[in-house]
Amino acid sequence: ETGVTQSPTHLIKTRGQQVTLRCSSQSGHNTVSWYQQALGQGPQFIFQYYREEENGRGNFPPRFSGLQFPNYSSELNVNALELDDSALYLCASSSRLAGESDTQYFGPGTRLTVL
Amino acid sequence: DAKTTQPNSMESNEEEPVHLPCNHSTISGTDYIHWYRQLPSQGPEYVIHGLTSNVNNRMASLAIAEDRKSSTLILHRATLRDAAVYYCILRDVAADNDMRFGAGTRLTVKP
Repeated sequence: ETGVTQSPTHLIKTRGQQVTLRCSSQSGHNTVSWYQQALGQGPQFIFQYYREEENGRGNFPPRFSGLQFPNYSSELNVNALELDDSALYLCASSSRLAGESDTQYFGPGTRLTVL
Repeated sequence: DAKTTQPNSMESNEEEPVHLPCNHSTISGTDYIHWYRQLPSQGPEYVIHGLTSNVNNRMASLAIAEDRKSSTLILHRATLRDAAVYYCILRDVAADNDMRFGAGTRLTVKP
């Protein structure tokens, strides 16, 4: 059983550019969540995808968007990058069952630096 | 949303037990208590979760107060590899599409 993987590991972009980050879910998981973690802080929820539909969103502007594919892998897209977007972006997968509290399995993250 | 309060940092000696507290005075009846930890340069890792009763697994134990307004994560014998930031998170089983991390407790383990 493979765990959650993310690519790339590190990325450097300039202000105003666009970026796409990728995540492969753990086998058998149907839900993917994305988080942003600034240096020295806890992760902040961006959004979640369940069966290819957005299923909840945190306090992030529309320039943060995502996709989930039929194989449950996912992308996070960020347009018009700002300096404050520099952070570790974490992907977590889980298997949602009604009435139960799921466990999320995190990838190692993508470190994005915006210059 | 129900929030949690944790100490910013704690220290422990290797091979001694560690008790990490978490206060959640506004917890609702459908909130599960989850603990995750984040080792340096890694993504968060699930540790344990519970609703009302105390829970044990291979990593740790979770002690939940009778009124559920506080809980304690117990590491029975701390090792150097347990040095991490520990997060206590409440998740509503009916609407748990996100996890709201606080700042967590940074645990330092001394040899």
